[in-house]
Amino acid sequence: GAGVSQSPSNKVTEKGKDVELRCDPISGHTALYWYRQSLGQGLEFLIYFQGNSAPDKSGLPSDRFSAERTGGSVSTLTIQRTQQEDSAVYLCASSPKPAYPNEQFFGPGTRLTVL
Amino acid sequence: GENVEQHPSTLSVQEGDSAVIKCTYSDSASNYFPWYKQELGKGPQLIIDIRSNVGEKKDQRIAVTLNKTAKHFSLHITETQPEDSAVYFCAANWMKGYSTLTFGKGTMLLVSP
Repeated sequence: GAGVSQSPSNKVTEKGKDVELRCDPISGHTALYWYRQSLGQGLEFLIYFQGNSAPDKSGLPSDRFSAERTGGSVSTLTIQRTQQEDSAVYLCASSPKPAYPNEQFFGPGTRLTVL
Repeated sequence: GENVEQHPSTLSVQEGDSAVIKCTYSDSASNYFPWYKQELGKGPQLIIDIRSNVGEKKDQRIAVTLNKTAKHFSLHITETQPEDSAVYFCAANWMKGYSTLTFGKGTMLLVSP
């Protein structure tokens, strides 16, 4: 079946502009995660969704970052007034169940470059 | 929370050799340990995982071992091939109201022909 998809695959923007990154999780997966991966670095947790609610936003680096999820499916990560330090690969992952530890399935990521 | 340390950060081997990547974790309540492979320009892909009720799991050329007492787990790749070249991440779960994963910083494996 279809995996996690993300769009766009690449985004180049100018400093100060807003960007929206989209994630389509695997159908039926209730849990959704956003991560940031800076060049040569590990995975930095940003936010977790269970259904449409976001019980854990603790990883969002500043109030310029926000995310929403509609219909328990598609999620959008928005970065306002982008800065050069926001340049990174943004990864989305989904899981079938929220509780017992289970696999997270990752999308291909969106590479964001802020000039 | 959980802290995961991963070593080495880079590993170079000759084709056909074995490769071992090691991780340690801090939360004794962790009970799920996945390993992900990330190829250039792609998202991480789960390659193998182990739960705390077993000490070892094998899938063809890949195996993972877990030592709960010492709180460390390792990935073993035998008969390495150039297509094994990638960044490998270990992770451990922990509960903070929900089950989530903490990732190691990754190991870049380079397999030379």
